[in-house]
Amino acid sequence: GQNIDQPTEMTATEGAIVQINCTYQTSGFNGLFWYQQHAGEAPTFLSYNVLDGLEEKGRFSSFLSRSKGYSYLLLKELQMKDSASYLCAVRDQTGANNLFFGTGTRLTVIP
Amino acid sequence: ETGVTQTPRHLVMGMTNKKSLKCEQHLGHNAMYWYKQSAKKPLELMFVYNFKEQTENNSVPSRFSPECPNSSHLFLHLHTLQPEDSALYLCASSAQLMSSYNEQFFGPGTRLTVL
Repeated sequence: GQNIDQPTEMTATEGAIVQINCTYQTSGFNGLFWYQQHAGEAPTFLSYNVLDGLEEKGRFSSFLSRSKGYSYLLLKELQMKDSASYLCAVRDQTGANNLFFGTGTRLTVIP
Repeated sequence: ETGVTQTPRHLVMGMTNKKSLKCEQHLGHNAMYWYKQSAKKPLELMFVYNFKEQTENNSVPSRFSPECPNSSHLFLHLHTLQPEDSALYLCASSAQLMSSYNEQFFGPGTRLTVL
């Protein structure tokens, strides 16, 4: 089976940096995705990690440690529009390479 | 705009009604998915179609019936639903099912309320 954990809610200040953690347990890890979902909208793809290390994409970075079953999403220079839910999803090749999602972390950016 | 559209965006139905949700993708993808998103719960995969063939039914009750007439369209037929089926139903598509990099593109969802 799959078990994916992430904090339910976080609050951070505009202009600051925030790190959203995700831990997972799967039997056939085959990649980790981060999605952003604004209220009432579709989840949109942010990043993909399959090897250990940091992937940087503008203000957003994602890190993976396969040995620790751990990832984080780092958001820099926070903007009010970054207030959203951030979903961690793991692909499991024993699960037909389908995605298994965490409950999501609702981030609120305050002035 | 992700290239995946869903209609209707909102639906209220009684437990004895029959309704259908529609999903259309304009991305030329071959795999399509139905997910259920309930409050404070993870996205739950319901069905997977690859090249119009159903490859996954994640123990979904028979009151949910999917249909995939072609690679661009996916339906979810609903009948005799229960109030606990109230949720956001999300459709997604991806280029291929089994590739190592398989980003899924999501539609905006249908907010379903069962009275």
